[in-house]
Amino acid sequence: DIQMTQSPSSLSASVGDRVTMACRTSQAISNFLNWYQQKPGKAPKLLIYAASNLQSGVPSRFSGSGSGTYFTLTISSLQPEDFATYYCQQTFRPPLPFGGGTRVEI
Amino acid sequence: QVTLRESGPALVKPTQTLTLTCSFSGFSLSTSGMCVNWIRQPPGKALEWLALIDWTDDKYYSTSLKTRLSISKDTSKNQVVLTMTNMDPVDTATYYCARTQYSISKAIDYWGQGTLVTVSS
Repeated sequence: DIQMTQSPSSLSASVGDRVTMACRTSQAISNFLNWYQQKPGKAPKLLIYAASNLQSGVPSRFSGSGSGTYFTLTISSLQPEDFATYYCQQTFRPPLPFGGGTRVEI
Repeated sequence: QVTLRESGPALVKPTQTLTLTCSFSGFSLSTSGMCVNWIRQPPGKALEWLALIDWTDDKYYSTSLKTRLSISKDTSKNQVVLTMTNMDPVDTATYYCARTQYSISKAIDYWGQGTLVTVSS
């Protein structure tokens, strides 16, 4: 099975900051990596698919990059509504695990 | 408009079997590239992927839970059913069903609201 490692597990930031978080996989997965945002009490929301493709309706301050085993999600200018937990998921080969999450807080 | 909704018992006893139903609209599981997943999230913890069924009726399971899980679909009713046997208090979680499309790298683009299942005697 492919293992997922997200870092950091949490980070503190301020509105306007540039924030980057990482996701590593135990095996190369090409670009089959997706990013989700989850707010408390809500279902996750797809932000980025195929490592770098912005899902429709997602603000352009979100961007993704990477391939192989290392991927990053960047928020170029953090907004108040971006304080949430972010998860990566590999969809290269089943099973399709999520990472442990990165919590972005003030 | 794509919607998914989970239904099932809110409370189950240890050792019982959990049966959850995902009722969806706005797409068909007979359409090429469509899949439905089950994902769970214990309170305060991370998302855990459980299972997926695709339009060809291929099924995939979490390695650690595969002996306890079964996923099936009824295309005519637009429903997917997940059963989990031998429930334990550690299985207490919010259970989500969610749609995957192969056309967007098999990402999950629509989620249900989730249903909280508590395992307790």
